[in-house]
Amino acid sequence: QVQLVESGGGVVQPGRALRLSCAASGFTFNTYTMHWVRQAPGKGLEWVALILYDGSNKYYADSVKGRFTISRDNSKNTLYLQLNSLRPEDTAVYYCARAGELSWGQGTLVTVSS
Amino acid sequence: DIQMTQSPSTLSASVGDRVTITCRASQSIGSWLAWYQQKPGKAPKLLIYMASSLESGVPSRFSGSGSGTEFTLTISSLQPDDFATYYCQHYSTYSPAWTFGQGTKVEIK
Repeated sequence: QVQLVESGGGVVQPGRALRLSCAASGFTFNTYTMHWVRQAPGKGLEWVALILYDGSNKYYADSVKGRFTISRDNSKNTLYLQLNSLRPEDTAVYYCARAGELSWGQGTLVTVSS
Repeated sequence: DIQMTQSPSTLSASVGDRVTITCRASQSIGSWLAWYQQKPGKAPKLLIYMASSLESGVPSRFSGSGSGTEFTLTISSLQPDDFATYYCQHYSTYSPAWTFGQGTKVEIK
């Protein structure tokens, strides 16, 4: 069955960086567009970024453009999100999700605090 | 950008009630709409996709309807396990970004 497992979250100081990973299994990873979605504590869902199946195009929410970078390694069935210049308002659970037949991971918590 | 507006933001209901949640799009999105249920500390769970298709394993008391700009999620007889927050989501092959409604919290009356 489809499985998406995020990792890499943690506590980080403002201005620092973090890289999240999402390991995919149970489907042909290199044929699917993939997304990152986040949810701040007590808040709703916010789309963050997407990358096409072959990595040829990437799109970002205005709130993270220029600071976050989405990438993928189809040989490792893994999606990444590089978070740079982190701010307290980036504190959230970050989910990876598959487009098409919608599937989500369980999320990884990023806390930005001094 | 397409905006999704959910109503109500909070809904108080009793076990056995029929519950309806509405989601409106700022422009026509065809049937490119999904509904999710989320419980505290858990990932969103897909209930409905393409506006009215029931995800495998989801109880038949959940149903979705609508197209264009107005959509509804109906729970025909609310069960104790259904108290949660529900989100609508616009997704599409033709527009890259996803857009979510603000969420509807279904509380015990």
